[in-house]
Amino acid sequence: AQKITQTQPGMFVQEKEAVTLDCTYDTSDQSYGLFWYKQPSSGEMIFLIYQGSYDEQNATEGRYSLNFQKARKSANLVISASQLGDSAMYFCAMREGLTSGTYKYIFGTGTRLKVLA
Amino acid sequence: DGGITQSPKYLFRKEGQNVTLSCEQNLNHDAMYWYRQDPGQGLRLIYYSQIVNDFQKGDIAEGYSVSREKKESFPLTVTSAQKNPTAFYLCASSQGHSEAFFGQGTRLTVV
Repeated sequence: AQKITQTQPGMFVQEKEAVTLDCTYDTSDQSYGLFWYKQPSSGEMIFLIYQGSYDEQNATEGRYSLNFQKARKSANLVISASQLGDSAMYFCAMREGLTSGTYKYIFGTGTRLKVLA
Repeated sequence: DGGITQSPKYLFRKEGQNVTLSCEQNLNHDAMYWYRQDPGQGLRLIYYSQIVNDFQKGDIAEGYSVSREKKESFPLTVTSAQKNPTAFYLCASSQGHSEAFFGQGTRLTVV
């Protein structure tokens, strides 16, 4: 069964430093998409970055980059120059079903990041 | 502005009652989803729909029901058969290979 694993329940990082949030996935699909979302205490889900399974280059969006290692089935999120506003819950997600046409998104259990001043 | 609207933001249910959570989108997306989130947990898929008049069960569909009579609407009913319905419910939509767009969520509490 398709699955997303985030092994870090909580992380601390000093302001202005970089932090890596881990994500591994398991799927039998050849074509899939990987996403990261940020969830502040308000509960909204904010899309951060996307990586397609056939993309050869790692995705980047501003201070966010995705370290995609297909052979290891990992899709780690790197946040550079952390800011206090980055404190939130972060979810890794995978869109599967691209082959069958029945798309659905599955999520990991999340990592709570706290940025320290 | 295009987006997804969930209502109400807070909902209280008495034991044995059915309640319906609203989800409306004006993004013209074909696919819509309902997720449940428990405190400190990830999102678990309840139901999803790829097109009008069709929907599939997710991982935790028991005690829930949905309908998809219009493209823009995907209401979720939490029935009395759902024994532990207190949670945060998120509705989402997507189109093709895009990311999923989420509503602001509904916090349901059993009183």
